[in-house]
Amino acid sequence: AQSVTQPDIHITVSEGASLELRCNYSYGATPYLFWYVQSPGQGLQLLLKYFSGDTLVQGIKGFEAEFKRSQSSFNLRKPSVHWSDAAEYFCAVGGLNTDKLIFGTGTRLQVFP
Amino acid sequence: ETGVTQTPRHLVMGMTNKKSLKCEQHLGHNAMYWYKQSAKKPLELMFVYSLEERVENNSVPSRFSPECPNSSHLFLHLHTLQPEDSALYLCASSPRFGSSYEQYFGPGTRLTVT
Repeated sequence: AQSVTQPDIHITVSEGASLELRCNYSYGATPYLFWYVQSPGQGLQLLLKYFSGDTLVQGIKGFEAEFKRSQSSFNLRKPSVHWSDAAEYFCAVGGLNTDKLIFGTGTRLQVFP
Repeated sequence: ETGVTQTPRHLVMGMTNKKSLKCEQHLGHNAMYWYKQSAKKPLELMFVYSLEERVENNSVPSRFSPECPNSSHLFLHLHTLQPEDSALYLCASSPRFGSSYEQYFGPGTRLTVT
């Protein structure tokens, strides 16, 4: 079955600390992977995507993610979190020949000053 | 600022009302989508349109009726909804249909059914 698991429902970090949000996927074909962020009352904004090539991808707002095929993971990282990063983060998987993106249930990030 | 707008942003309707949600994309994309976002559940894809033609209906009840008059506009017509239909309805667009290109989302319409 195709699915995305984000094991952490809620994460709290201090401003300036490093961050890693976990994402594991199950997909029967070559995965296309995405991270989106949603601020309260807003839609989803694309942070970064992976289709092929270099397994470490850079995104907007200082985020990066690493694709690890052997672990079926696509974890999101940021070296130093800012208070404005507080939001909900969604991992999604899709593929060639399909429009359908499968989303995880999200991880809510809280940032303390 | 995503280039995808949705109106209204908030909507409260009774179970016997008829209302419509509107989505407009200013990105020149060819594919548009309706999603439902409920608390503690993954986003649910409802409908997919490619160049104004509906290409996917994800077993959505008939009380939800989409319309795509052109590649820039997408509507979701609502009638005789149930309280469990209360959710955030998100519209998205992508450059082309047929593969998982990145999707650009609007801010959503928060729907409450009373």
